[in-house]
Amino acid sequence: DIQMTQSPSSLSASVGDRVTITCRTSPDISDHLAWYQQQPGKPPRLLIYAASTLQSGVTSRFSGSGYGTEFTLTISSLQPEDAGTYYCQNYHSAPLTFGGGTKVEIK
Amino acid sequence: QVQLQESGPGKVTPWDTLSATCGVLGVSISSPTWWSWVRQTPGKGLEWIGAIHHSGTPNYNPSLKSRVTISVDKSRNRISLKLISMTDADTAMYFCVRHSTNDILSGPIDSWGQGTLVVVSS
Repeated sequence: DIQMTQSPSSLSASVGDRVTITCRTSPDISDHLAWYQQQPGKPPRLLIYAASTLQSGVTSRFSGSGYGTEFTLTISSLQPEDAGTYYCQNYHSAPLTFGGGTKVEIK
Repeated sequence: QVQLQESGPGKVTPWDTLSATCGVLGVSISSPTWWSWVRQTPGKGLEWIGAIHHSGTPNYNPSLKSRVTISVDKSRNRISLKLISMTDADTAMYFCVRHSTNDILSGPIDSWGQGTLVVVSS
C-alpha cells in the first residue's frame, strides 16, 4: 500500500496568514494526488487534483504543488471559512489511501 | 449535479452483516465511472473500502476483501455495500463517493454523499 504521511497534524494560524501543509508518500506516486477539505459535520470536498490542478469552483487561495513523494497544499491568505481538516489522497495505485489529516484552526 | 444519498441501519449487532445502499440522483449509474465506499473513524481516519465499475466489476481493499461485497443495481440507480462479521472496529461513518474518471487510478473522488453512521453494538 502507498503510505501517506501528513504534517503537521494540526496548526493554528491567524486570518491572513499563509498556511502550508505537507504530504509525503512512499513510494513515488507521480502526480496522482488529491487534496480534500472537510468541515465539521460535512463530507470531504475536493480542492486539488493531479497535485496542482484546482477543482472547478474552488477559490484560488488554495494551491498545490509537488511530484513524486513530496507534495504541499498552500492557503495563501487564511480565511475563517478555511477552518477544518485537510486530507491528501493517493490515486496512483490501489488500494486508494489517505493521509491522516491536518486540522486547521483559526486563532 | 450528482447527489449521493446513503442509507444504513444505524446500529449493527456484533458479528452481523452491514447492508447499506447509496441512491444516485442526477446522473445514470451506468455512466462511465466508478463508485466507491469510503469509511471514516476517529482512530483510523479515512479508509477506502472498495469500488464498483458501472459494468459491475469490483475492486476491493485487500484489508477488507474477505468480508465485503459491493454491487450495482441499475434498475434502482443505486449501489450497495455488504460487510460481514462486523466488530467494534467497523463502527464508522460510511460514505458513498463517485470517481471523476472511468479509471479509479486516473482521477480523484469528485462527489461525496453525506454519509451514514453505523455503530456496532449489542
